Amino acid sequence: DGGITQSPKYLFRKEGQNVTLSCEQNLNHDAMYWYRQDPGQGLRLIYYSQIVNDFQKGDIAEGYSVSREKKESFPLTVTSAQKNPTAFYLCASSVLGGGSYNEQFFGPGTRLTVL
Amino acid sequence: AQTVTQSQPEMSVQEAETVTLSCTYDTSESDYYLFWYKQPPSRQMILVIRQEAYKQQNATENRFSVNFQKAAKSFSLKISDSQLGDAAMYFCAYLRSPGNQFYFGTGTSLTVIP
Repeated sequence: DGGITQSPKYLFRKEGQNVTLSCEQNLNHDAMYWYRQDPGQGLRLIYYSQIVNDFQKGDIAEGYSVSREKKESFPLTVTSAQKNPTAFYLCASSVLGGGSYNEQFFGPGTRLTVL
Repeated sequence: AQTVTQSQPEMSVQEAETVTLSCTYDTSESDYYLFWYKQPPSRQMILVIRQEAYKQQNATENRFSVNFQKAAKSFSLKISDSQLGDAAMYFCAYLRSPGNQFYFGTGTSLTVIP
């Protein structure tokens, strides 16, 4: 089955540590995205990538980093510079240039808790 | 940047009744797309319905339909014959054309009362 996988489902981290969240898709989508979800704030875009080895900052990129070495993979690193990293993180992917069929497909999410 | 506003943080509906969730958006573009996503307690985001701005006809998917008012920049979701499984957070989203960046509203939490 085609889809998006995120791992782990739950992640705990100590303050001051970097942590990497995994996102893999087998939908052959060119575009991939990372969102942060907090209660009452909807989904906020962290980073997105439309092609391998290229990515753009979203609205809340500070304290985060990404890489796109393969089309299928778009890992997100939450660095120690992120002031309030406890949140639910969603990865998504979409085709490019498909009009309304640019709908985003989402992974199941990772809940990150900083202890 | 485009903004999407969902003014109802919480809504409730009796099972089998009809409920309408509101969404307004701000844009200067003439060509764009609108979506409603559902996020049940599992937190998996699921596409409910989509609307192309150039289409005058309102989109319908089974019990879900939209009321798209382009001049008013309004895009409401109507759920008919509400079921317990409809209980979820609902997000309205805007996509500019051309483009790939979505803008999401803050969501409406829908409770279905048996």
